Amino acid sequence: ETGVTQTPRHLVMGMTNKKSLKCEQHLGHNAMYWYKQSAKKPLELMFVYSLEERVENNSVPSRFSPECPNSSHLFLHLHTLQPEDSALYLCASSQDFPSRVEYFGPGTRLTVL
Amino acid sequence: DQQVKQNSPSLSVQEGRISILNCDYTNSMFDYFLWYKKYPAEGPTFLISISSIKDKNEDGRFTVFLNKSAKHLSLHIVPSQPGDSAVYFCAASARVRSGANNLFFGTGTRLTVIP
Repeated sequence: ETGVTQTPRHLVMGMTNKKSLKCEQHLGHNAMYWYKQSAKKPLELMFVYSLEERVENNSVPSRFSPECPNSSHLFLHLHTLQPEDSALYLCASSQDFPSRVEYFGPGTRLTVL
Repeated sequence: DQQVKQNSPSLSVQEGRISILNCDYTNSMFDYFLWYKKYPAEGPTFLISISSIKDKNEDGRFTVFLNKSAKHLSLHIVPSQPGDSAVYFCAASARVRSGANNLFFGTGTRLTVIP
């Protein structure tokens, strides 16, 4: 595997479910990001981890919980989501933070019923 | 308030002609600009960038122009090819304070190149 990978690619969950999104980067980067992309809106930064420490949390509801066990892996734990949380969730990585260029994974298309 | 704006949600161009995608920004502190390309079911892919010390950067068929006084940048693709059909995101970067996120994205423009 090369670049940034994300699993699952598609996820449908009920409002009471608990699920996790996984991201793995094979680029040797030190920073990882979670973004949310909703229709007709810019990418919204959710979380940033640099050297496995969270450095940015942009007022994201607590029903989203990130975890970065090491510099190559990033998780987004989901619980009691709302239908308006349905979106494309993109993971990205960069050599360092802040960085001029971020490299994205393919995303997880999340649907909350 | 959106700091990076792409006012055209879509653009259609004939194959072989020039595609021009536009982007405006409001923050005068931005000093680095990027274009990303996104195919369906894939994540955005870095395409080309430009520093504010330049007004033009060229990479093959892709050229980005920066007009700092107008706070405007554009991406030119010539000649356009059907494989260029994708959503193009403009992004801007500023070094403000240590630890702060510095990449802001536009909403994207969907380019369709008609064979």
